[in-house]
Amino acid sequence: DQQVKQNSPSLSVQEGRISILNCDYTNSMFDYFLWYKKYPAEGPTFLISISSIKDKNEDGRFTVFLNKSAKHLSLHIVPSQPGDSAVYFCAASAMNRDDKIIFGKGTRLHILP
Amino acid sequence: DAGVTQSPTHLIKTRGQQVTLRCSPISGHKSVSWYQQVLGQGPQFIFQYYEKEERGRGNFPDRFSARQFPNYSSELNVNALLLGDSALYLCASSLWTGANQPQHFGDGTRLSIL
Repeated sequence: DQQVKQNSPSLSVQEGRISILNCDYTNSMFDYFLWYKKYPAEGPTFLISISSIKDKNEDGRFTVFLNKSAKHLSLHIVPSQPGDSAVYFCAASAMNRDDKIIFGKGTRLHILP
Repeated sequence: DAGVTQSPTHLIKTRGQQVTLRCSPISGHKSVSWYQQVLGQGPQFIFQYYEKEERGRGNFPDRFSARQFPNYSSELNVNALLLGDSALYLCASSLWTGANQPQHFGDGTRLSIL
């Protein structure tokens, strides 16, 4: 039972354009959401997070949008750079219940020259 | 500052054997979590320890156990290994518990079961 779904296994974007990675969740108890980035042979690296009391959080080139009614969040990367090529994991947690972080399967982003 | 370190980096075992994986958190971090990442999937939560006590457990059989030491390092033990235990095992540390504490991951231990 996938509680966090990343339905696009891969995405290719031209360098300099916007990359949009999508994530859906099913558990309405989730109240904290995170994005991690993973390069091959390395552990995931925290990118950005958002609490359910917000609908947008921005950090430099990275912006996360949360639509609670649709149980959907997205990560926008503008402008996309070659170093952004990696696997991106969406994750969620029900902080009021426990500290478990549930990850999606990931989306592989390819930035094309 | 050293990041999260895991040892060994690679390990090959046979079915039925036992394995111990080790993790040293970032200095000052008191919480350690373990994850299993099977090929093509995201990391799946196994355990979280904080101040040497288990704070959370994922949906894994009792063959999986862990502990945290006074210096906050941690070990993950898996008994009676099965082929399906082949995976990348990731350790993550954070200052304390709470999903809003960014977790810092190690590079993982790649476990292969023959």
